[in-house]
Amino acid sequence: ILNVEQSPQSLHVQEGDSTNFTCSFPSSNFYALHWYRWETAKSPEALFVMTLNGDEKKKGRISATLNTKEGYSYLYIKGSQPEDSATYLCASPYNQGGKLIFGQGTELSVKP
Amino acid sequence: EPEVTQTPSHQVTQMGQEVILRCVPISNHLYFYWYRQILGQKVEFLVSFYNNEISEKSEIFDDQFSVERPDGSNFTLKIRSTKLEDSAMYFCASQGYTDTQYFGPGTRLTVL
Repeated sequence: ILNVEQSPQSLHVQEGDSTNFTCSFPSSNFYALHWYRWETAKSPEALFVMTLNGDEKKKGRISATLNTKEGYSYLYIKGSQPEDSATYLCASPYNQGGKLIFGQGTELSVKP
Repeated sequence: EPEVTQTPSHQVTQMGQEVILRCVPISNHLYFYWYRQILGQKVEFLVSFYNNEISEKSEIFDDQFSVERPDGSNFTLKIRSTKLEDSAMYFCASQGYTDTQYFGPGTRLTVL
């Protein structure tokens, strides 16, 4: 059974702080790791799809790294802004191109 | 930018009633999914659909659930006789030739 876990469950930071959180997944039979950003009442927004060990991807102030050998990915936000407040979800496909198995999400709150 | 849309945004129904949740995937996408998130739990996979048939379904997706793509654009999820435990946020997602699944904003189903 593929189990994806995220930590912490929630995070409260001040505007301007940099922050990071973790997604862990089984390192065997790895296909890909997806990161989504989900604001209440909006569609979860795809941030990154990562497939290769050592991958680093960046989108503005948000970046992510991937370690498939040890089964984890980090998401970093540099200089958090209130508009970064959202739930960040990671997910891994159960098989290539198939259903996503999600972590429980990290709820980020950035205070001005 | 193309997006996945879902209607209604919120549906309230009585236990035992039938509900149909509607989704308009991104045009030219090939793979379609339904997921749901019960409050406080992980987002969980329900069913995937490809080439006009179900390609995979979870244990949750029993005989009370069905999916259809009636007219080549809409993608619907029907629950024949709703139960209290069906209360959740239901997400539709579509996927084209890349690994990314694009999600709609969800339908919040409340069963009374």
